[in-house]
Amino acid sequence: LAKTTQPISMDSYEGQEVNITCSHNNIATNDYITWYQQFPSQGPRFIIQGYKTKVTNEVASLFIPADRKSSTLSLPRVSLSDTAVYYCLVAYTGGFKTIFGAGTRLFVKA
Amino acid sequence: NAGVTQTPKFQVLKTGQSMTLQCAQDMNHNSMYWYRQDPGMGLRLIYYSASEGTTDKGEVPNGYNVSRLNKREFSLRLESAAPSQTSVYFCASRGLAGRQETQYFGPGTRLLVL
Repeated sequence: LAKTTQPISMDSYEGQEVNITCSHNNIATNDYITWYQQFPSQGPRFIIQGYKTKVTNEVASLFIPADRKSSTLSLPRVSLSDTAVYYCLVAYTGGFKTIFGAGTRLFVKA
Repeated sequence: NAGVTQTPKFQVLKTGQSMTLQCAQDMNHNSMYWYRQDPGMGLRLIYYSASEGTTDKGEVPNGYNVSRLNKREFSLRLESAAPSQTSVYFCASRGLAGRQETQYFGPGTRLLVL
């Protein structure tokens, strides 16, 4: 299983774009990259998933360079309600064991 | 469609007591998971079940047992609780969200062992 490394915490202001980078140097060919968001006292919830290049949905974008050794979650124009912990997870869809890292605590200020 | 449900929501135990945490999902998913999350920390995998009838150890299985009762239910048992098992326990099931496979988490069980 690929080990992931993320910044422990980040601060931002409302309306700014936030980019959170995750390193996964030993990612395997069949691994996908998935990001989850967790609010206090709740379970994590899925944000976005990708394999390579760029993926965009209604809440975020995920940028994955050609070597796939890192990925960047981009949150456009954050609001106070985006204050949460964000986890990067690397796993292959044919496997079942999943390892969450420590996550990145994002604090959005007014 | 309730998703993933967990009972109880909160429990206080004394050291040495036993209890079972219940988890059920109504999404017809094959895989289910148990995690623990200590204050200010990330999630750590305790056990998982790839499909009905199978279970496997995760990162931190010591002190726990699991049962995959049927496709819907996956329980976690603490035979002799210890203060080090004070944590929030999350159950999850894994399935498709559109074309992407993801885990769906329950609301958690907060366990305090005195």
